[in-house]
Amino acid sequence: AQTVTQSQPEMSVQEAETVTLSCTYDTSESDYYLFWYKQPPSRQMILVIRQEAYKQQNATENRFSVNFQKAAKSFSLKISDSQLGDAAMYFCAYMALGAGGTSYGKLTFGQGTILTVHP
Amino acid sequence: ETGVTQTPRHLVMGMTNKKSLKCEQHLGHNAMYWYKQSAKKPLELMFVYNFKEQTENNSVPSRFSPECPNSSHLFLHLHTLQPEDSALYLCASSPHAAVGADTQYFGPGTRLTVL
Repeated sequence: AQTVTQSQPEMSVQEAETVTLSCTYDTSESDYYLFWYKQPPSRQMILVIRQEAYKQQNATENRFSVNFQKAAKSFSLKISDSQLGDAAMYFCAYMALGAGGTSYGKLTFGQGTILTVHP
Repeated sequence: ETGVTQTPRHLVMGMTNKKSLKCEQHLGHNAMYWYKQSAKKPLELMFVYNFKEQTENNSVPSRFSPECPNSSHLFLHLHTLQPEDSALYLCASSPHAAVGADTQYFGPGTRLTVL
């Protein structure tokens, strides 16, 4: 079974600084996607960034970027120039593609990392 | 209304009650999901519906009964729940639930407390 592990229950960062959230996963599949979702307090969970496993280039979305190390099964999220609005619970998630590219929408989530941003 | 909405936002029920959670998506998607988010545990996928058909039941107890009358609406009927069922129940939708890895869009959740 696939598992996703976020080893940092809590992280903190000063406003305008950079922080990296860790995620490792375990899978025997060769074709899969990885995601980072953000869940602000009392607000909806939204997608931050996604990475296709077959792509060697790391995904970036403005201040958010990932370090995808396929061999190490590591998928960390870097937040640059942190802002107060970045404070949230961050979830790493995994979705495998089976035969014919089928996923059945089955996302596996990590335990989450609470990020605090200090002004 | 835009995105994915859920009602009620908070629900307190006794173990003998019957209640329902409602989810509605306004994104034109064809797949809908129920997740359970318990304290200190990862989100757990409960059910997946694709074009109104259930394609995944993640060994969920029968006291949780989903219903998907159309691609825009999803219900979770609750009966004879246990205190350990207290959690945040999240609904999500995506364009499809089979091929590819579509991004899932989440609702705000229903905070359920079982007394």
